[in-house]
Amino acid sequence: AQSVAQPEDQVNVAEGNPLTVKCTYSVSGNPYLFWYVQYPNRGLQFLLKYITGDNLVKGSYGFEAEFNKSQTSFHLKKPSALVSDSALYFCAVRDAIKAAGNKLTFGGGTRVLVKP
Amino acid sequence: DVKVTQSSRYLVKRTGEKVFLECVQDMDHENMFWYRQDPGLGLRLIYFSYDVKMKEKGDIPEGYSVSREKKERFSLILESASTNQTSMYLCASSLLTGFRTEAFFGQGTRLTVV
Repeated sequence: AQSVAQPEDQVNVAEGNPLTVKCTYSVSGNPYLFWYVQYPNRGLQFLLKYITGDNLVKGSYGFEAEFNKSQTSFHLKKPSALVSDSALYFCAVRDAIKAAGNKLTFGGGTRVLVKP
Repeated sequence: DVKVTQSSRYLVKRTGEKVFLECVQDMDHENMFWYRQDPGLGLRLIYFSYDVKMKEKGDIPEGYSVSREKKERFSLILESASTNQTSMYLCASSLLTGFRTEAFFGQGTRLTVV
């Protein structure tokens, strides 16, 4: 069975400092990995994805993520955080073996608080 | 832009009521999903559908059913609402063959069962 772990419930960072949100995964085959962001009382918005190729993936709003196969990780990063980045972040994985239905498995979410 | 629309942002229902949550997408996606979101638990898949009249159970289907009579519409049904079904419900859609593609989410329905 596929699974995702986000080990931090909350990450606090000062505006202008680097931001990292951690994610590790477990799948049987090759992983397809996704990051989503959720602002208060809203649905999830897609940020970026890793399918194949370069381990460093660039996405929306200046975010990027690094895929590390040996550590089964896909950490989300932003070089300089903004107060407006304060939100709930979800990592998700899809196992390439089970393509039918495109089932996405989500982590528990990490709340990011960026302080001025 | 893909649009996934959920019929209600907020709902308050009584225990034992039959509740319908409606979701419509406008991008001709084959896949549609219903998740519930609870603090600390992330998103958990209730049901998904990859075609009209087709449905598959997700991780937590108990107490729920679904209906997909048209490609663009996917309904979640709580047969007899209970207080432990108080939650945020999120609908999503994606392409069938594009398991490399992301899912698109609606705004969510916050359901309170009293």
